[in-house]
Amino acid sequence: AQKVTQAQTEISVVEKEDVTLDCVYETRDTTYYLFWYKQPPSGELVFLIRRNSFDEQNEISGRYSWNFQKSTSSFNFTITASQVVDSAVYFCALSGDTGRRALTFGSGTRLQVQP
Amino acid sequence: ETGVTQSPTHLIKTRGQQVTLRCSSQSGHNTVSWYQQALGQGPQFIFQYYREEENGRGNFPPRFSGLQFPNYSSELNVNALELDDSALYLCASSLESAEWGDTQYFGPGTRLTVL
Repeated sequence: AQKVTQAQTEISVVEKEDVTLDCVYETRDTTYYLFWYKQPPSGELVFLIRRNSFDEQNEISGRYSWNFQKSTSSFNFTITASQVVDSAVYFCALSGDTGRRALTFGSGTRLQVQP
Repeated sequence: ETGVTQSPTHLIKTRGQQVTLRCSSQSGHNTVSWYQQALGQGPQFIFQYYREEENGRGNFPPRFSGLQFPNYSSELNVNALELDDSALYLCASSLESAEWGDTQYFGPGTRLTVL
């Protein structure tokens, strides 16, 4: 069975602070994909990044960066210099070889960025 | 490029009724997945359709059923509605290929309330 844990239920920061959202996953699959999605108040899930299990290279995209560590089964997401528009619920998700058609989501982390 | 669209936006039904939700996939995509998101939780996989056939199913009872049409649009049908069916229903489309971890892109969702 697959499982994604986002232990941080809610985080509140002040604009321009850096913030890291944690994601820990469990899977027995040797091949799998990890994703981050953002869900603003409108409700639509917005795709942010996909990473496969063979690619542990960390990635930076503008103010966003992702730290994938297979040894600790973690795929953390950092927002640098946060902005009010970053306020949303962020979901980490996993798709593995055995449940290959489905995304398994964590319970989400609500990020509030105060001006 | 047209994104994923869903209709209706909101729906109110009473217990025991039946409901049909609709989804149009993103242009160029041939696979549609449906998810149920209860308030404050992460989305849960219902099922996926590829080439008009069910291609994977989550832990949902048979009263949840679906269809995919030749133009890759899809319907989700729920019979004998229960109060716990109240949720945001999300449709996601992707391009089925040899690389099974293809990214799923989500629509805005349909908010279903069962009274």
